[in-house]
Amino acid sequence: SAVISQKPSRDICQRGTSLTIQCQVDSQVTMMFWYRQQPGQSLTLIATANQGSEATYESGFVIDKFPISRPNLTFSTLTVSNMSPEDSSIYLCSVGYRPGIDEQYFGPGTRLTVT
Amino acid sequence: GENVEQHPSTLSVQEGDSAVIKCTYSDSASNYFPWYKQELGKRPQLIIDIRSNVGEKKDQRIAVTLNKTAKHFSLHITETQPEDSAVYFCAASFPLSGGYNKLIFGAGTRLAVHP
Repeated sequence: SAVISQKPSRDICQRGTSLTIQCQVDSQVTMMFWYRQQPGQSLTLIATANQGSEATYESGFVIDKFPISRPNLTFSTLTVSNMSPEDSSIYLCSVGYRPGIDEQYFGPGTRLTVT
Repeated sequence: GENVEQHPSTLSVQEGDSAVIKCTYSDSASNYFPWYKQELGKRPQLIIDIRSNVGEKKDQRIAVTLNKTAKHFSLHITETQPEDSAVYFCAASFPLSGGYNKLIFGAGTRLAVHP
């Protein structure tokens, strides 16, 4: 499996500000996924990011709040915009290697606290 | 809709006993069913998975069974040990374009194994 890293590992931010989370993979992958895990909860898919096209957002998530970039096959960013305390969560990225390979492995996550 | 239900939410067993966690999914197009283990403060780790052309898969003390007709799959852990204590998540794949799948997760089961 690929080695996935995320930056920052954690951050404390003030409400109304924005934070950009980076996800780096050590091999080229076509599809990347962004998840949110609220405290004590399950993983909720935010969006899928296919290199070279616009991200596809799940119900309840919008581009204005969670803009995603996917500039190449090894990197993606997720921005949490205009943050409120309800955005306090762990944000995780995972990768999809190629069609038919369904296993997903997660990055270490970014723990975000909004005060 | 795309939905995965998981039961029970908490499970407490004595060391050496078996533990069973059950999930149901909504879409007959789902064809991949992974299970993740998440220890406190860590990322989810893929522990076993099964595809729709297989009814059962085993890996040492863990096994997964799938009933496609009922849209139901289960995780079985035998001879439980304290280090099995964690939160377990099931997931089911839902098709995206281009042959990729996304994963939708169940709510999770907190397993406690008591010595």
